[in-house]
Amino acid sequence: KNEVEQSPQNLTAQEGEFITINCSYSVGISALHWLQQHPGGGIVSLFMLSSGKKKHGRLIATINIQEKHSSLHITASHPRDSAVYICAVMYSGGGADGLTFGKGTHLIIQP
Amino acid sequence: NAGVTQTPKFRVLKTGQSMTLLCAQDMNHEYMYWYRQDPGMGLRLIHYSVGEGTTAKGEVPDGYNVSRLKKQNFLLGLESAAPSQTSVYFCASSYAQVEAFFGQGTRLTVV
Repeated sequence: KNEVEQSPQNLTAQEGEFITINCSYSVGISALHWLQQHPGGGIVSLFMLSSGKKKHGRLIATINIQEKHSSLHITASHPRDSAVYICAVMYSGGGADGLTFGKGTHLIIQP
Repeated sequence: NAGVTQTPKFRVLKTGQSMTLLCAQDMNHEYMYWYRQDPGMGLRLIHYSVGEGTTAKGEVPDGYNVSRLKKQNFLLGLESAAPSQTSVYFCASSYAQVEAFFGQGTRLTVV
């Protein structure tokens, strides 16, 4: 299956810093998801994008369809933002077999 | 509205034992999925279902069976557990392959 690449794999930052996590994919998609997973916890959907930009609180997600690239930004980061952030895509014209996932970005925000 | 509920949340099995993981959703979704999550890897699709009475193999189906006798339930079975099946299992459901809703995960250890 086509790959979904995330960078960085690990990121440690200080509270208050602006955070950017990147996701790239190889072929056309119908939708891209950003997911959050806290240690030992379930997976929560943060955003679903097919174009443009979405904002929810301190989180912003953007997607550039032509460049096959998406970014997740966290403004004014806080220790409670520490989690694994996962990018997942639904490929265009694919079957019903769901999402293809990146390996995740482990984010630690230190107080 | 409970969303997606997985049971059990934790389980330890001996090699060769069998068990069934239950996924229940109350959103009337047609699509349901079972994934496994292993360290250093993205979530991988085990089996999926596009509706009541239908199932299909995903990327890593060996050693697992599934059933979707009722629309709201998707069962994942391990007939003879192996240590390689130690993993965290996630169930997900979606409407028309758009939004994705995940359960809290089942942490399975096979000794």
